[in-house]
Amino acid sequence: GENVEQHPSTLSVQEGDSAVIKCTYSDSASNYFPWYKQELGKRPQLIIDIRSNVGEKKDQRIAVTLNKTAKHFSLHITETQPEDSAVYFCAAMGYSTLTFGKGTMLLVSP
Amino acid sequence: NAGVTQTPKFQVLKTGQSMTLQCAQDMNHNSMYWYRQDPGMGLRLIYYSASEGTTDKGEVPNGYNVSRLNKREFSLRLESAAPSQTSVYFCASSWTASYSNQPQHFGDGTRLSIL
Repeated sequence: GENVEQHPSTLSVQEGDSAVIKCTYSDSASNYFPWYKQELGKRPQLIIDIRSNVGEKKDQRIAVTLNKTAKHFSLHITETQPEDSAVYFCAAMGYSTLTFGKGTMLLVSP
Repeated sequence: NAGVTQTPKFQVLKTGQSMTLQCAQDMNHNSMYWYRQDPGMGLRLIYYSASEGTTDKGEVPNGYNVSRLNKREFSLRLESAAPSQTSVYFCASSWTASYSNQPQHFGDGTRLSIL
């Protein structure tokens, strides 16, 4: 089955800095890669996703890049704000299920 | 439009008790999923239902059973609860599965403690 590795497990940045979270996957047939943000005690919420026929996608301060050859994808957050503090999960869609990474706790200090 | 609704939100059980977690979605989605979330482990799939009338095991199915009652509802049952099943349980739904590029939408979760 699919295996998703996510790094780092924790990331601390100063407000205004950029943050990058990286994920690798194992199933070369996976074709959909969503990113979820989960605030403490809340549900995971989709923040951005990318499909396998696209190399990069941007939505305001958030961007995701995908390298299918290397089987890795990354989340980039620019101009971080304290409200970006949360746990972020990457995921890869295989035959019929999403496989999630273990999450990255992002802490943005004012 | 409520999205995905889970009940109950909190529950405490004693070892050996049984319980059913309920999930309903109002987005006319075909596929539904049950995950458990433990600290440092991310979200792990317990069971899923790709379409009404079908269910399949996920990564961690032992100790659980599911029922896809109709297109809207997908329940998770613990027949004999064990302390290792203490977790936060999330239900999710999506249009389709099978190498799909459709996002999954999550409910608010059920926080389950087993003593």
